[in-house]
Amino acid sequence: DSGVTQTPKHLITATGQRVTLRCSPRSGDLSVYWYQQSLDQGLQFLIQYYNGEERAKGNILERFSAQQFPDLHSELNLSSLELGDSALYFCASSGFGTDTQYFGPGTRLTVL
Amino acid sequence: TQLLEQSPQFLSIQEGENLTVYCNSSSVFSSLQWYRQEPGEGPVLLVTVVTGGEVKKLKRLTFQFGDARKDSSLHITAAQPGDTGLYLCAGRSTIQGAQKLVFGQGTRLTINP
Repeated sequence: DSGVTQTPKHLITATGQRVTLRCSPRSGDLSVYWYQQSLDQGLQFLIQYYNGEERAKGNILERFSAQQFPDLHSELNLSSLELGDSALYFCASSGFGTDTQYFGPGTRLTVL
Repeated sequence: TQLLEQSPQFLSIQEGENLTVYCNSSSVFSSLQWYRQEPGEGPVLLVTVVTGGEVKKLKRLTFQFGDARKDSSLHITAAQPGDTGLYLCAGRSTIQGAQKLVFGQGTRLTINP
């Protein structure tokens, strides 16, 4: 158990819909990272937040957005979903002064 | 765009055999990490190598960082079924003041009893 929690574990929805994935980092960790893992593209970095502010952006689509709240939990919002958005979405967190990221168990999103 | 290429993508061997997984890039990374991921779980960090030429051992696993900090290898001695999983390498670099992890596509390892 990494200490990072993600909900829901599984999500099945239809094309065009919008979903929200939630992540709670390890206690005390200020940084939260979101990754997408699909079969053909490996693990892709989407976005990082540090203490409520966006710190770095990766290959995140405009249809996707994220935020980190004052209690440090984070949400990833995916809208206008397409079949190709089906993937595992991981959240990771890290503490101040360390680059070790601890990954949550992931949310498996299936778009039908 | 920084890319990390892992080889092989799939490897299936018998228990007791040795194996090496490679992680290569044309880019220089400040550090390189190896993760193992099991089905239904997130990646778990195995090791971080920082210095060019560095070698780290974790029981039967030996990790090496290339002298130029562009490549790495993972060697497993006397593989066991418990070593089965997806092995991911990830390079750390600083882009526009922000540190990012770039992942390889992974090596799916199966150890057969």
